[in-house]
Amino acid sequence: DVKVTQSSRYLVKRTGEKVFLECVQDMDHENMFWYRQDPGLGLRLIYFSYDVKMKEKGDIPEGYSVSREKKERFSLILESASTNQTSMYLCASLPGTITYNNEQFFGPGTRLTVL
Amino acid sequence: QKEVEQNSGPLSVPEGAIASLNCTYSDRGSQSFFWYRQYSGKSPELIMFIYSNGDKEDGRFTAQLNKASQYVSLLIRDSQPSDSATYLCAGEGAGSYQLTFGKGTKLSVIP
Repeated sequence: DVKVTQSSRYLVKRTGEKVFLECVQDMDHENMFWYRQDPGLGLRLIYFSYDVKMKEKGDIPEGYSVSREKKERFSLILESASTNQTSMYLCASLPGTITYNNEQFFGPGTRLTVL
Repeated sequence: QKEVEQNSGPLSVPEGAIASLNCTYSDRGSQSFFWYRQYSGKSPELIMFIYSNGDKEDGRFTAQLNKASQYVSLLIRDSQPSDSATYLCAGEGAGSYQLTFGKGTKLSVIP
């Protein structure tokens, strides 16, 4: 079974802090994604990575950066946290071969509160 | 801007009835479509995917795709209280790994 883990289930930070959210997958997947999920707005893609050291902006990259130094790990960085970044953050991974069934496997999520 | 639209609900159905969840999409280039189920406080899990026009059945679940109308649906037969969750529809463009998600439909199955 694919396992995607996230470093924290709940996180509380203060405005202006630098925040690191970590995601690790154990299935040697090439592709990894960071989403945020907000009531009424659904799942929105922040960044994704299709290989080590490669990254692409998603729909809402502003205020975020990412790092992928190793294949299994994809980090989301909030350089200076703001209250509007309070959200549920979900990481997902996907094998590299494009098929019609590109199932993304999700981690358990990190609920971040910025005070 | 690629969009996937779903009615937010809540959709309430009695136990044993058929629940019908609907989704429309704007990107005609979208190839595959996915239905994820998300229980409250949990992460999404894949129920079904479909990429060909027509119906695809898996147990109590049937996904339907009509590319001409840009319409995807999920039918849940013999609905159970354990089916109560938010259902997310997602579309994937050709040759792309990116999914565009709808906002989800909340389903409540009443015992």
